[in-house]
Amino acid sequence: QKEVEQNSGPLSVPEGAIASLNCTYSDRGSQSFFWYRQYSGKSPELIMSIYSNGDKEDGRFTAQLNKASQYVSLLIRDSQPSDSATYLCAVNPYYKLSFGAGTTVTVRA
Amino acid sequence: SQTIHQWPATLVQPVGSPLSLECTVEGTSNPNLYWYRQAAGRGLQLLFYSVGIGQISSEVPQNLSASRPQDRQFILSSKKLLLSDSGFYLCAWSRNTGSSGNTIYFGEGSWLTVV
Repeated sequence: QKEVEQNSGPLSVPEGAIASLNCTYSDRGSQSFFWYRQYSGKSPELIMSIYSNGDKEDGRFTAQLNKASQYVSLLIRDSQPSDSATYLCAVNPYYKLSFGAGTTVTVRA
Repeated sequence: SQTIHQWPATLVQPVGSPLSLECTVEGTSNPNLYWYRQAAGRGLQLLFYSVGIGQISSEVPQNLSASRPQDRQFILSSKKLLLSDSGFYLCAWSRNTGSSGNTIYFGEGSWLTVV
């Protein structure tokens, strides 16, 4: 079983719609969760971190964490063409991150 | 503010040649340092991490090695490259607080093509 699993996509959404990305993890002791965005050919950049159960909002992004279900998600509201990228879920059970394979999102104008 | 730089950005190397990628972090002291590799169309694979000078942990056995000669310098090396070493190499850092949950920040990356 992989430590972090994501829907591989690609996920295609129309401009202005909500993109929903899902991630599950295997280590029940994990305490820290991150979403990174990676444009083609570039390095990952941090979008959000979440540590407690529930929702965390930052602009058009909302991260949701459910530790009991070992599930973390990312919602992108009012999707823009500039949101087209690969989104990486990362989990930190200790002091090194484990990454999912990423979900590629394409926003159609 | 903290910054991380790695170089070279792109390189093409023949099979069997040596490799040296270098990374430096500025604006912080005693960071955790990491080398990740991303093969084409695949996720990030942790290669090495370091919690201090001379302290290197290897995650994946392979023909690569890492060294940390100074507090904020991290070097990835190989004596003889293989075709399978091609990929996107990322240096990263996080604060060393002795606990989990530290955000990892990435450098610009180095594209390696072994021919």
